[in-house]
Amino acid sequence: NAGVTQTPKFQVLKTGQSMTLQCAQDMNHNSMYWYRQDPGMGLRLIYYSASEGTTDKGEVPNGYNVSRLNKREFSLRLESAAPSQTSVYFCASSETANQPQHFGDGTRLSIL
Amino acid sequence: DQQVKQNSPSLSVQEGRISILNCDYTNSMFDYFLWYKKYPAEGPTFLISISSIKDKNEDGRFTVFLNKSAKHLSLHIVPSQPGDSAVYFCAASEGTDKLIFGTGTRLQVFP
Repeated sequence: NAGVTQTPKFQVLKTGQSMTLQCAQDMNHNSMYWYRQDPGMGLRLIYYSASEGTTDKGEVPNGYNVSRLNKREFSLRLESAAPSQTSVYFCASSETANQPQHFGDGTRLSIL
Repeated sequence: DQQVKQNSPSLSVQEGRISILNCDYTNSMFDYFLWYKKYPAEGPTFLISISSIKDKNEDGRFTVFLNKSAKHLSLHIVPSQPGDSAVYFCAASEGTDKLIFGTGTRLQVFP
């Protein structure tokens, strides 16, 4: 049972390039989330999807777009990467709101 | 403005003793609180949660205490083990999907 799988694990981009981070969960969860973790900042919510077909902004949505492709998959897109988006990105899922979220192992993204 | 604060960046505890990790929050509408543990190069792992209708929840060596009047949450680990060495995050929500995380406390358990 893989849980939450994120790809890629590492990526280096140049400023202005675009990229999609992929996330898939096999727990039949309804809700999925994207966070970023920066030093001294904890985890901050970028976007979330409470159910298939819906997405909502979190704390720090600027510069990102998301797609809930189906119940299993939730992708995060950077259209024009900026150095300020250098971070570790975590995807998570939960059965519903107010249930514990299960996290993937993260994507380490560096933007030069 | 940080709604969930973990004011101790690090904590060092001897194996077998109690570890107490603290968390303060400012939003009185928070009604669900969680603790996560994170090892390097891995995602956070859920440890224990508590809803605002309770003041204590216990799961094995882990106990979470909630003091709503003080807006304070604590995690007790008894007895502490070397495998507990990790970064611990508290998180809170107000009945929605949006979790607000603290900045984390690094716990080191030494022999």
